Amino acid sequence: EAEVAQSPRYKITEKSQAVAFWCDPISGHATLYWYRQILGQGPELLVQFQDESVVDDSQLPKDRFSAERLKGVDSTLKIQPAELGDSAMYLCASTLELGADTQYFGPGTRLTVL
Amino acid sequence: QKEVEQNSGPLSVPEGAIASLNCTYSDRGSQSFFWYRQYSGKSPELIMFIYSNGDKEDGRFTAQLNKASQYVSLLIRDSQPSDSATYLCAVILLNSGGSNYKLTFGKGTLLTVNP
Repeated sequence: EAEVAQSPRYKITEKSQAVAFWCDPISGHATLYWYRQILGQGPELLVQFQDESVVDDSQLPKDRFSAERLKGVDSTLKIQPAELGDSAMYLCASTLELGADTQYFGPGTRLTVL
Repeated sequence: QKEVEQNSGPLSVPEGAIASLNCTYSDRGSQSFFWYRQYSGKSPELIMFIYSNGDKEDGRFTAQLNKASQYVSLLIRDSQPSDSATYLCAVILLNSGGSNYKLTFGKGTLLTVNP
C-alpha cells in the first residue's frame, strides 16, 4: 500500500538553529499539505501545494518558515531560526487532486527545540 | 467561537460498551466531515467520512451527521482496549481569507477502553 514518506522521524535542535523536514507524497498525488500539531491540539494547516504552486500559506509564519515543492513531487519545510514554541509534530499529507477530501498522512516528524 | 469543537475528555468506557464521541462545527455551509484516530506519538489515521445527513456504518463504527444542528458524532460499538486513542473530528471549512477550503481539526477526544 502506497504511503506518504517523511524524514527525519525525530529531530532535536537548539533554538536559533535551522531545521528542515522532507516529505514524499503518495505517487501521483498532486496536492500536498504541511500541518503542525502541538501536543494536546489538532493538526493546523501551515501550507498547501497544488503541484509546485502554493494554494494556501495563510497560516505559515513566513518570517521564519519556508516551504517548497520545486518539481511538484516531494517537498521541504524549513524553519530558520527555530524557537522553543516550534516544538511540535510536523505532519505531511497528500490527496490525489485539489478538492479531493480524503487526506493521507505520513508518520510525521517530532521536533524538539531546546 | 472555535470552528470545530470537541470535548477533550478523557472518555473512559469498559470493554464491550458503546463509546460516543461528539463534535460541533461553526460553518453551516460545510459539506464534508471526517473522523481520524490518532494513537499516542503516531499520525492521524482516517477511519470514517460522512457527507450526508443521517448515519453511516462501517463495521463497529457509525458516524452520525445532523447539518441543521451542526453536529457530527462517532459511535464505537463493542469497544476494545485497542480502540484507546485520541479521536479527531475534522471538517472542510473555508479559510479566513475566503480563498481556499481547508481541513480543520478539533482538539480531539481521548478515549480509554478499560479491560
